Amino acid sequence: AQSVTQLGSHVSVSEGALVLLRCNYSSSVPPYLFWYVQYPNQGLQLLLKYTSAATLVKGINGFEAEFKKSETSFHLTKPSAHMSDAAEYFCAVSDPPAGGSYIPTFGRGTSLIVHP
Amino acid sequence: DTEVTQTPKHLVMGMTNKKSLKCEQHMGHRAMYWYKQKAKKPPELMFVYSYEKLSINESVPSRFSPECPNSSLLNLHLHALQPEDSALYLCASSQGASGGRSYNEQFFGPGTRLTVL
Repeated sequence: AQSVTQLGSHVSVSEGALVLLRCNYSSSVPPYLFWYVQYPNQGLQLLLKYTSAATLVKGINGFEAEFKKSETSFHLTKPSAHMSDAAEYFCAVSDPPAGGSYIPTFGRGTSLIVHP
Repeated sequence: DTEVTQTPKHLVMGMTNKKSLKCEQHMGHRAMYWYKQKAKKPPELMFVYSYEKLSINESVPSRFSPECPNSSLLNLHLHALQPEDSALYLCASSQGASGGRSYNEQFFGPGTRLTVL
């Protein structure tokens, strides 16, 4: 069974500083990995996904993540934080399909706080 | 169209009411999902429909009843809910397994904020 651990329920950065949100996964097979963002009172939006094509994955809004098999990690980074990046971020892992659909397991989420 | 829509945005209901949540997508996705999300928590899977058949029911109480009238629509019928059922209810869709590995991400709707009095 797969699982995801997101280190730190809250991460606080200054505007313009590096953003690093940590995610470690556990999966018995090569995983499918995702980062989603949720702004207040909205649904989840896909930031990026790992499909095994490349270990460094670029997403929307300047975010990227690197898949490191040896560390079982998929940390999310952004070089320079904007105030608009303040949101809840979820890392997710899913195993191959069950019953015709991919079911992700979500981490507990990390709340990103951006200070002016 | 890469959007999942949900209605209503907000719903307040009493414990004896019957109401329905609606979800619609026109991306040709064949898997649709209902999630329940409490504040500051990850979404909890409730139901999965795959090719319009219920494939997963995560031991959800019978006061929640899903329905998939066709490949674009997903409903969640609510009856005799409890105050602890108050939450954000999210609908999502995905290509489905036959779409291949690179098409397996979920697209989420904005959610329905449900309050049970």
